[in-house]
Amino acid sequence: AQKITQTQPGMFVQEKEAVTLDCTYDTSDPSYGLFWYKQPSSGEMIFLIYQGSYDQQNATEGRYSLNFQKARKSANLVISASQLGDSAMYFCAMREPGAGSYQLTFGKGTKLSVIP
Amino acid sequence: DAGITQSPRYKITETGRQVTLMCHQTWSHSYMFWYRQDLGHGLRLIYYSAAADITDKGEVPDGYVVSRSKTENFPLTLESATRSQTSVYFCASQGQQKNTEAFFGQGTRLTVV
Repeated sequence: AQKITQTQPGMFVQEKEAVTLDCTYDTSDPSYGLFWYKQPSSGEMIFLIYQGSYDQQNATEGRYSLNFQKARKSANLVISASQLGDSAMYFCAMREPGAGSYQLTFGKGTKLSVIP
Repeated sequence: DAGITQSPRYKITETGRQVTLMCHQTWSHSYMFWYRQDLGHGLRLIYYSAAADITDKGEVPDGYVVSRSKTENFPLTLESATRSQTSVYFCASQGQQKNTEAFFGQGTRLTVV
């Protein structure tokens, strides 16, 4: 079974609108972390936001927020006021420290296109 | 310059040749990782290292060898390259805190012909 599922291979959003990118995860470890990375066409991986499993509040970083629903095992990324520069691939990832390696397990990604 | 750097950025090699991808970080991070990125698969872990001289396999280790004699370097070697190893390779590092992000290199685009 996939540990991280991103069900939207591609999405379009109008400039200045908000968009939600879906991510569901699967783990039996009570302590885990969820991450979102952005990969623009230039190829680098850019960290956006982090949510710990014990965090009481949803994480926010500027225009990015994470809609964390623990019971549903979902960690959706919300981008407010989309900009043309938001066009990129977005990856959801999970870290399970119980595994000892601190590795990240990635979803397959969602390609976001912002339309002017 | 501080950060994590990979070399080369682009590499074309022939089937059967040995090729080494280099990764260097300046933060003295304990953990280092090699991922490969293929269309439709996201990023998959090849090998990781928790400290110098400590390495272990990830999800897709076959055909790859790593070493970590120094904390700052984590080279990845393809012992006998195959076309299926054509991919973009990312090195990453992170510190001891489990709630911190991993920092990625710029990636190496490897083509095996």
